[in-house]
Amino acid sequence: KQEVTQIPAALSVPEGENLVLNCSFTDSAIYNLQWFRQDPGKGLTSLLLIQSSQREQTSGRLNASLDKSSGRSTLYIAASQPGDSATYLCAVLGRTGRRALTFGSGTRLQVQP
Amino acid sequence: NAGVTQTPKFRILKIGQSMTLQCTQDMNHNYMYWYRQDPGMGLKLIYYSVGAGITDKGEVPNGYNVSRSTTEDFPLRLELAAPSQTSVYFCASRLTGGTDYEQYFGPGTRLTVT
Repeated sequence: KQEVTQIPAALSVPEGENLVLNCSFTDSAIYNLQWFRQDPGKGLTSLLLIQSSQREQTSGRLNASLDKSSGRSTLYIAASQPGDSATYLCAVLGRTGRRALTFGSGTRLQVQP
Repeated sequence: NAGVTQTPKFRILKIGQSMTLQCTQDMNHNYMYWYRQDPGMGLKLIYYSVGAGITDKGEVPNGYNVSRSTTEDFPLRLELAAPSQTSVYFCASRLTGGTDYEQYFGPGTRLTVT
């Protein structure tokens, strides 16, 4: 059974810092990995999707990497801003079973002005 | 395209009541999913469907039922609501075939059972 773990569970940083969020998964037989952002009481916003054959994806100040063999992904946020404050969820789409996303519990990020 | 739409946005149920959460997508996606998200947690899969007439259980199906009579609609039925079903419910869809199609999520339904 696929399990996804996100570390840390919560993070507070001053504005302007570069930061890294970590995601690990137990079964490397995946199609892709997605990073989502979720604001309090809101839905999910897809940030980046990395195919299993890719090593990284970039969008603006965000860069996500994938090391499928070791079961790890990182989300790098450059020059953090207070508007980046949210919960960040990692999810993987497995090659076997239900073909649905398995989610981690998220990292709650607070960027202090 | 409206994408994935869900109704209602909020609902309060009494224990033992029943209700149907509606989900509709206009992207002609074959795959549709229902997830629930408990406070401070990630999403867990309740049920999914790979096409009209085909549904299957996810990780936490107890207390729920689904049907898929059309490509567009995937309603989730709660029978005999219990406090443990207090959660936020998200519907999602994606294209079938291939592996690079991301899931698109609806805005969610916030359900409280008291």
